[in-house]
Order: sequence, then structure tokens, then C-alpha cells
Amino acid sequence: QVQLQESGPGLVKPSETLSLTCTVSGDSISSNNYLWGWIRQPPGKGLEWVASIFHRGSAYYNPSLRSRATISIDTSKSQFSLKLRSVTAADTAVYFCAREIVPPGDQIQVWGQGTLVPVSS
Amino acid sequence: QSALTQPPSASGSPGQSVTISCTGTSSDVGAYNYVSWYQQHPGKAPKLMIYEVIKRPSGVPDRFSGSKSGNTASLTVSGLQAEDEADYYCTSYRGRDDLRVFGGGTKLTVL
Repeated sequence: QVQLQESGPGLVKPSETLSLTCTVSGDSISSNNYLWGWIRQPPGKGLEWVASIFHRGSAYYNPSLRSRATISIDTSKSQFSLKLRSVTAADTAVYFCAREIVPPGDQIQVWGQGTLVPVSS
Repeated sequence: QSALTQPPSASGSPGQSVTISCTGTSSDVGAYNYVSWYQQHPGKAPKLMIYEVIKRPSGVPDRFSGSKSGNTASLTVSGLQAEDEADYYCTSYRGRDDLRVFGGGTKLTVL
């Protein structure tokens, strides 16, 4: 059974870069059937899709975050990562990593437990 | 990126049915049959309940059903149970340059 686990810093300062990694276990990250993505949820608010990536590296971004976000994948480590530059308090959120089933934009089948990333000085 | 429109809240008594709407545009909900619904209990990760408008993943009770008409998708929960009380989110595919968009979420209360 596939499991996803987010890891990253407990706190990020404004204007710095938020870096998160998701480790995949229990299934291959290199399957053509899946995309790997990040979704975030500010405290008390709704879900927002951030970015998704295929194992070969083709990536998709939320247009509102495209200029600051980079998603990458390391199949040798069964990990994918998110970097979000120039963060502000508005980027404070629980960040979930997830496995999506192709085609892109279809079902988000498996979610990590989520990790809260506060942005504060 | 404008979110899909969901009512902030919905409610029903045990055993009743409730329907939650998700309104988009002709560029997302109306254009594609890639609408999915997620249930989220407090402090937990979301769980897939419906995908491709009407399909139910294995293990999801058949009390949950989905539909779509024009630019509006709907999730119906029949025979409400206490454990159905949660937040529900819809999402739709929006094209290659703007992969998906979420609704604002609906808090379902079982009275």
C-alpha cells in the first residue's frame, strides 16, 4: 500500500524559500500511471492546488504560484520536492503531497498526512 | 485562478439526503468529465469520494453519488450518517496550462 510522507522545516521566515520533500513508499514513483503533486490549505481555509509532476519531469503549476514555485522529482530516492520562493505570511498552510491518477487533473488518489509550514519572523 | 463555487454549508438529519453543488464555467466543469469530490474530517487529509463525475472508488459507500449538469456538478449523500459530517471539496480539470481548480468547500452538518 503506497504511503506518502512530507518533510521540511518547521518554520520559514518571510522572503525566504520554503522547501518540502515527499517520500514515497510501497509503490514505484516511476509509473506512467501517476502524477505527483502538492496541495496546500491555509489554516481554517480551503484547498489550493500548487503543482504536479510526472516521473520524467513534465510539470504543471498553479498560474498564481508559477513565478515562485518549482517542483522536482528524484526517482532514485523515490522523492519529489517543492520549493516556493519569496514567501509571505499568506503562504502559511498545511502542505499535502499526493499521488494523482492520469490523466492530469483527474483523481487525487492518495494523500500524505500534511505538514504545517508557518511563515513568520 | 478563480475557485469553483460551493455553498459554505449544508445540513440534514440522519437518514435524509443532502446535495452539495459545485459551479464552475464552460472552461472547467462544463468542458470536462474530470470532476472529483473529497471528504475531509478535522485535522485529517482529504479522502477521494467521487472521481470522473460519477465514479466511486473501492470502499466508498454507495450512499455517495455524483452527477453533472452543464457547468454544475453535484455530490449527493443519501441516508446521512453521523460520520458523514465533514468538509467536502470539489475539483475540476481546467486544461493543460491550469491543471486543476478546487471549490471553496462545504461544511456538512448532520443534525
